[in-house]
Amino acid sequence: GNSVTQMEGPVTLSEEAFLTINCTYTATGYPSLFWYVQYPGEGLQLLLKATKADDKGSNKGFEATYRKETTSFHLEKGSVQVSDSAVYFCALILGNEKLTFGTGTRLTIIP
Amino acid sequence: DTAVSQTPKYLVTQMGNDKSIKCEQNLGHDTMYWYKQDSKKFLKIMFSYNNKELIINETVPNRFSPKSPDKAHLNLHINSLELGDSAVYFCASSQGGSPSEQFFGPGTRLTVL
Repeated sequence: GNSVTQMEGPVTLSEEAFLTINCTYTATGYPSLFWYVQYPGEGLQLLLKATKADDKGSNKGFEATYRKETTSFHLEKGSVQVSDSAVYFCALILGNEKLTFGTGTRLTIIP
Repeated sequence: DTAVSQTPKYLVTQMGNDKSIKCEQNLGHDTMYWYKQDSKKFLKIMFSYNNKELIINETVPNRFSPKSPDKAHLNLHINSLELGDSAVYFCASSQGGSPSEQFFGPGTRLTVL
């Protein structure tokens, strides 16, 4: 079946540091890929997405590029802020099947 | 202008009780979902309804029964609550042609004592 593997947290960084959260996937076709973010006490929000190979999704300074050759969709941000502290979920969907989430990575940014 | 709302936000109850969580979306979407998030933040889909019809039913105990009175509502009834049911339950919705972009509610934290 389809699955998503993302780096285990927690991840703690200083403000203005560079962020990478790794995500790889296994799927029987060519899925659409997503990053969702969950701020403390809230539901998930779509952060960015990419629907085909080599697409780059971007939002709020975050970026991720759909890499078919490495089956990856790593999340990056050049300079993180305290307000980026949250749990980040990588996810995929194939056709009209269910959204499959990774286990989530908790990110804490310290001033 | 809440897009997906859930009530209650917190629910504390005793083992063996029956409880319900309500979900409403005002986005005009035709598909709604229930997810369970455990204490380690792992998120797992439970049910999905499209136009009031059940389309996804994962391996969930039959103590859990979703009910969709109309496209804008998907309620979750849980009978004979157990300790292991303690979790945060999220409702979500999407437009059927684009199941990918799901909009989530704020969650209901259920604690079973």
